[in-house]
Amino acid sequence: GDSVTQMEGPVTLSEEAFLTINCTYTATGYPSLFWYVQYPGEGLQLLLKATKADDKGSNKGFEATYRKETTSFHLEKGSVQVSDSAVYFCALKGSGAGSYQLTFGKGTKLSVIP
Amino acid sequence: ETGVTQTPRHLVMGMTNKKSLKCEQHLGHNAMYWYKQSAKKPLELMFVYSLEERVENNSVPSRFSPECPNSSHLFLHLHTLQPEDSALYLCASSQEWGGGEQFFGPGTRLTVL
Repeated sequence: GDSVTQMEGPVTLSEEAFLTINCTYTATGYPSLFWYVQYPGEGLQLLLKATKADDKGSNKGFEATYRKETTSFHLEKGSVQVSDSAVYFCALKGSGAGSYQLTFGKGTKLSVIP
Repeated sequence: ETGVTQTPRHLVMGMTNKKSLKCEQHLGHNAMYWYKQSAKKPLELMFVYSLEERVENNSVPSRFSPECPNSSHLFLHLHTLQPEDSALYLCASSQEWGGGEQFFGPGTRLTVL
């Protein structure tokens, strides 16, 4: 079945540092890939997405590129802020007919210190 | 109200109690979901509902009972829960069945004593 593996946290960075959170996946066909973010005390929010190979999703300074050859969708940001402190989830949605389920990774907690 | 709302935000219950969680979406979406979020585990999809279809995760115990009276409301009825059911329960909605772009509510933090 489909699965998502993302780097274990927590990750602690200083403000303005470069961020990478690794995500790799296993799926048949051509899944769609997503990054969701969960701020403290809130539900998940869609951060960015990519629906086909070589697509780059971007939002709020975050970027991720759909790499089919390495089955990866790593999240990056050039300069993190304290307000980016949250838990980040990589997810995929299968391309099979009738596919209805998002498969999530376990989440990576990011803490940004001033 | 906008987006997806959930009530209550916090719930403490004993193992013999019966309670219900409520979710309402104000987005005009056609599908709604219940997820369970436990520490150090991936989000677990419990149920998916639309007016035409319903999917239940077979691993979810029968002490959790969903109800979807219309496209805007989703309930999760709880009875005789166990302490291991303590978790954050998240509701989500999407425009279409099985949509990858899902909008989440803030969750209900459930503690079972």
